[in-house]
Amino acid sequence: DAGVIQSPRHEVTEMGQEVTLRCKPISGHDYLFWYRQTMMRGLELLIYFNNNVPIDDSGMPEDRFSAKMPNASFSTLKIQPSEPRDSAVYFCASSSSGGAPEQYFGPGTRLTVT
Amino acid sequence: AQSVTQPDIHITVSEGASLELRCNYSYGATPYLFWYVQSPGQGLQLLLKYFSGDTLVQGIKGFEAEFKRSQSSFNLRKPSVHWSDAAEYFCAVAEGTSSNTGKLIFGQGTTLQVKP
Repeated sequence: DAGVIQSPRHEVTEMGQEVTLRCKPISGHDYLFWYRQTMMRGLELLIYFNNNVPIDDSGMPEDRFSAKMPNASFSTLKIQPSEPRDSAVYFCASSSSGGAPEQYFGPGTRLTVT
Repeated sequence: AQSVTQPDIHITVSEGASLELRCNYSYGATPYLFWYVQSPGQGLQLLLKYFSGDTLVQGIKGFEAEFKRSQSSFNLRKPSVHWSDAAEYFCAVAEGTSSNTGKLIFGQGTTLQVKP
């Protein structure tokens, strides 16, 4: 299996622009997680899905952030409008409810908002 | 609620020396426990996991961890550290068991520096 795939790997954008991050989970996994990692706040869970349905979005910072999972093999995290404080590494991870709950992480998207 | 504490934010060891990274968890029942490693610029990689049975579990890259229920600990060890082990290490516990929510609770991480 190719593992969790994220795109783009790096994104540089100007404040006020819309940013869309993409994730393809491991085939057969029914949980998908979005995390944000910064030096100041460490690793934060933003939102997670089970069977394409958002279960807990309490970690989403504000209304500028939204996430969707239109099917089992694709999810997006959108920031609109972006701000410099959104600069971070965003990770997607997936896991399977059929076995143990270990999560498998993608390589991350490094977002820089200028 | 479950929680995970990694008491050491930063540890420096010499190459070839032994390593122990501490992890304490708060959970009422037998937990699912994990150690992840994050090399610079990379995602988190699963090192090892504990669910039940033998309390000493072996992982990849020569790492092992021991579950001690009496101490609520799951410390990570390696007998001889290599320069390539320099990374950040995260301990995690699964939230829920039979009502598996899928969530993991992560510790704050321990940064390992290896001296030549």
